[in-house]
Amino acid sequence: EAGVAQSPRYKIIEKRQSVAFWCNPISGHATLYWYQQILGQGPKLLIQFQNNGVVDDSQLPKDRFSAERLKGVDSTLKIQPAKLEDSAVYLCASSLDPRLARELFFGEGSRLTVL
Amino acid sequence: EDKVVQSPLSLVVHEGDTVTLNCSYEVTNFRSLLWYKQEKKAPTFLFMLTSSGIEKKSGRLSSILDKKELFSILNITATQTGDSAVYLCAVPYSGGSNYKLTFGKGTLLTVNP
Repeated sequence: EAGVAQSPRYKIIEKRQSVAFWCNPISGHATLYWYQQILGQGPKLLIQFQNNGVVDDSQLPKDRFSAERLKGVDSTLKIQPAKLEDSAVYLCASSLDPRLARELFFGEGSRLTVL
Repeated sequence: EDKVVQSPLSLVVHEGDTVTLNCSYEVTNFRSLLWYKQEKKAPTFLFMLTSSGIEKKSGRLSSILDKKELFSILNITATQTGDSAVYLCAVPYSGGSNYKLTFGKGTLLTVNP
């Protein structure tokens, strides 16, 4: 079974530039999450989708971050303009049923460095 | 606000040592607590402890949940260099259809040969 796919794996940009990350969840998984993991910290939820609808984006910095999941499958996370403090690993995760906590599968992450 | 606190934040041991990692939590409507291992990529699931499951074991790893004192420990015996990783503790939060994991900061374990 294919896992959660993310790209790019690494990205280096200068502050005030824009960047986009892509995620393809496990087939059939209705719930998709984007987490931000800053070095030395645990993952922090940015946004949660159920199919193509947003369930929780309370911790998403909406002035610079946006995310979409138009067809209820793939998702993109965009940052514009980037700040130094956005340097982190962006993890995408998916699950068949959000109530099944142990059935949450993570992608390998996209590491962003903002210079 | 729900909290998950892990300690220590980092730990260096030698192969063969036994380590104990701690996770304390303050959450409303506690349902379960999860442990993940994160090497230089995605977190991978280790254990889930629920109201009905107090201790889990898998080879050299074991985990205990103390619901009264609101903490969990992860034990690793006879550590190996391959155990070097960040160990994350997480607690699910559920509010209506909003179901997500709240993570602690993790414990960075380094096992030296």
